[in-house]
Amino acid sequence: RKEVEQDPGPFNVPEGATVAFNCTYSNSASQSFFWYRQDCRKEPKLLMSVYSSGNEDGRFTAQLNRASQYISLLIRDSKLSDSATYLCVVNAAPGNTPLVFGKGTRLSVIA
Amino acid sequence: DADVTQTPRNRITKTGKRIMLECSQTKGHDRMYWYRQDPGLGLRLIYYSFDVKDINKGEISDGYSVSRQAQAKFSLSLESAIPNQTALYFCATSAGGAIAEAFFGQGTRLTVV
Repeated sequence: RKEVEQDPGPFNVPEGATVAFNCTYSNSASQSFFWYRQDCRKEPKLLMSVYSSGNEDGRFTAQLNRASQYISLLIRDSKLSDSATYLCVVNAAPGNTPLVFGKGTRLSVIA
Repeated sequence: DADVTQTPRNRITKTGKRIMLECSQTKGHDRMYWYRQDPGLGLRLIYYSFDVKDINKGEISDGYSVSRQAQAKFSLSLESAIPNQTALYFCATSAGGAIAEAFFGQGTRLTVV
């Protein structure tokens, strides 16, 4: 099983739709979790960290389920500008290991 | 100016040539990383360094070497480039700790012909 797995998509959704991505991780000792966004041919950038209690930033909501070892990202009221690849990122052990990136889920929001 | 700067941004080189990709950062971070990205394969870690005297192999280090010349500089070398090293290469930095965000350079597009 890969360390971090994501559905590659693409997810093609109309403007205004709600879309959700899931990501599973294999290391139960993982401590920190993130969603990054990557636009085509650009560098990845942090979208949001994922906290145990779940967290929301505007139209974006991230959830963590430690028991099932998955994290999710929900995007409400999708905009054309949300079209990008969303990378699930896990830090397997705090402080001493590098971030592990999923392969990403591609989202296309269509007018 | 970008906090993490990669040079060159684009490079075409011939098989067998030695090439160095450079990364410098102004974030003051101890940790630096080199990743390569290929379509369908995502970001794969080549090497990482947690401080100036620390070098660690990542998932795909064969055919690559690195040098951490200073806290702010981390170079990636391909000693003898081969076509399957054609990829988009990213340098990244982070502060220490479990919650630290990674900051990426703009990438180097390398083509080996």
